[in-house]
Amino acid sequence: DAKTTQPPSMDCAEGRAANLPCNHSTISGNEYVYWYRQIHSQGPQYIIHGLKNNETNEMASLIITEDRKSSTLILPHATLRDTAVYYCIVRVGRGGGNKLTFGTGTQLKVEL
Amino acid sequence: GAVVSQHPSWVICKSGTSVKIECRSLDFQATTMFWYRQFPKQSLMLMATSNEGSKATYEQGVEKDKFLINHASLTLSTLTVTSAHPEDSSFYICSALSLGLPGLGTDTQYFGPGTRLTVL
Repeated sequence: DAKTTQPPSMDCAEGRAANLPCNHSTISGNEYVYWYRQIHSQGPQYIIHGLKNNETNEMASLIITEDRKSSTLILPHATLRDTAVYYCIVRVGRGGGNKLTFGTGTQLKVEL
Repeated sequence: GAVVSQHPSWVICKSGTSVKIECRSLDFQATTMFWYRQFPKQSLMLMATSNEGSKATYEQGVEKDKFLINHASLTLSTLTVTSAHPEDSSFYICSALSLGLPGLGTDTQYFGPGTRLTVL
């Protein structure tokens, strides 16, 4: 699976949008971009995933560049509860073993 | 939907004893479950892939005789840490793979809350 690069930490003011970038310049055509987050001492929580089109759900939006070499996770109105480590993971879809390889992620800190 | 539970949430045991951790998918069936381990201030590391009705596949460096995995039904996988030692103290997390059921992400792993194991 392609390697991803994320900034180690980011800060965001409560109520503002949090934009978390991820670089995956070696992504292959059949690899999806997944985002998870892990609040301290809890299991990871699935946020969103996409292949090439932008995606939106009740938690966040995922913007994937046209060349698919990078993406941005957007939390439209960050709250204190969004403070967590956010992982961007690239993996092959169905038939590819379904393994997730976690990197070091981005520690997002939402402050008042 | 997509709720995965783990039991127990934390356990303290003496060195040399065995500990069993259960992982259940509560509202969907999962033919594949995964077991991860996370040490303090580190990321999750995949230990093994558990397939219902067959032997688990272990990642390189993970001792299969020490970490016994059983996936006897479509909603339950268990991890047994045999002859636990202090170095096995860690946060153990399972996940269950959804295969695109209505309302759930296709081929998406949903994680349990984790089990904190402390071996004295």
